[in-house]
Amino acid sequence: TQLLEQSPQFLSIQEGENLTVYCNSSSVFSSLQWYRQEPGEGPVLLVTVVTGGEVKKLKRLTFQFGDARKDSSLHITAAQPGDTGLYLCAGIQGGSEKLVFGKGTKLTVNP
Amino acid sequence: EAGVVQSPRYKIIEKKQPVAFWCNPISGHNTLYWYLQNLGQGPELLIRYENEEAVDDSQLPKDRFSAERLKGVDSTLKIQPAELGDSAVYLCASSLAQAGTARAGELFFGEGSRLTVL
Repeated sequence: TQLLEQSPQFLSIQEGENLTVYCNSSSVFSSLQWYRQEPGEGPVLLVTVVTGGEVKKLKRLTFQFGDARKDSSLHITAAQPGDTGLYLCAGIQGGSEKLVFGKGTKLTVNP
Repeated sequence: EAGVVQSPRYKIIEKKQPVAFWCNPISGHNTLYWYLQNLGQGPELLIRYENEEAVDDSQLPKDRFSAERLKGVDSTLKIQPAELGDSAVYLCASSLAQAGTARAGELFFGEGSRLTVL
């Protein structure tokens, strides 16, 4: 059983469209991270969310942590081809020191 | 500032052969991770070091995998003998944050070492 479930698994959209990807769990997380990974590279950290209900914005990317700290979403406005990549959520369960990753959402933005 | 450096980037070997991967973390980062990533999947933890101590190696297949982090800086991950199912990308990451803190999940990854076992 995957501790962090990401959906959708694949997403292909046209440049300029908006999209939301999700990261869900039945467990509570003390913090949650979002990473982006491009082919042939390692994941790169985008954001950390810690507080339930927290919303963080990074240019056209909006990250939200669920009130119960069990889920998170990433919304991209006016997607660009440069947003193409594998988006991974990762989190540390409350009371644990172990960082676990979801399987990721592979996003393709077509020009 | 230099990032996490890994070598080799690519390695092709025949099954039953040994292979080793090297990682140099970001200077000052006490925590070092080795992850395995299969195609289209998220990274899976193999081992985590705090300085030179392996604090979580529960997912490391110890019959064939070994790792060391002498002097608490560079690290080496070895597989002997390699099996076909070991073909994957091996990622090294380091972190400045201490375990148990809100930023403990903020990792800096290297580019990875892609292993192909024939």
